[in-house]
Amino acid sequence: EDQVTQSPEALRLQEGESSSLNCSYTVSGLRGLFWYRQDPGKGPEFLFTLYSAGEEKEKERLKATLTKKESFLHITAPKPEDSATYLCAGGTSYGKLTFGQGTILTVHP
Amino acid sequence: AAGVIQSPRHLIKEKRETATLKCYPIPRHDTVYWYQQGPGQDPQFLISFYEKMQSDKGSIPDRFSAQQFSDYHSELNMSSLELGDSALYFCASSLRDRGYNEQFFGPGTRLTVL
Repeated sequence: EDQVTQSPEALRLQEGESSSLNCSYTVSGLRGLFWYRQDPGKGPEFLFTLYSAGEEKEKERLKATLTKKESFLHITAPKPEDSATYLCAGGTSYGKLTFGQGTILTVHP
Repeated sequence: AAGVIQSPRHLIKEKRETATLKCYPIPRHDTVYWYQQGPGQDPQFLISFYEKMQSDKGSIPDRFSAQQFSDYHSELNMSSLELGDSALYFCASSLRDRGYNEQFFGPGTRLTVL
């Protein structure tokens, strides 16, 4: 059974305090590892797709990396507006996304 | 840039009633996905369509049905509603011909069953 596990469940940071979120996955026929940001009551907002081990992608204060079993979302010098739930998902070629439970990030000023 | 449109944004129904949720994908996107997200839960895949044909099926109850129309919009029909159906329902779309599966989500429909 496909499984995506994220840790920690919740993370509280001070503004400027860098950290990383973890996503481990077991998805049969995995073709991509996806990161989304979700604000309360809103739809997930696409951030990154990673396709092969060793791949890295960056966007502003976020950088996503991928190994054969895990992905990391690194947050450098976060700001309060980075507070959200970050979802990791594994996807097959054209099929469903299997999501992790998410990490709730809170950045205090 | 145009995004996925969902309607209605909020819906309140009584138990055993029916509901219809609509999704309008990003222009030129050919694949539509439906997800259900309960309170504090991650999105759970329900069903998807590619070129108006069902392409994948997840944990969708038999009381639910869906279809994709010739203009690529999709509708999720829910009958005999139960209290446990209260959730956020998201539609996502993607363009299969791009060779990968970046799904872009709509704002969701919040369904409350009383």
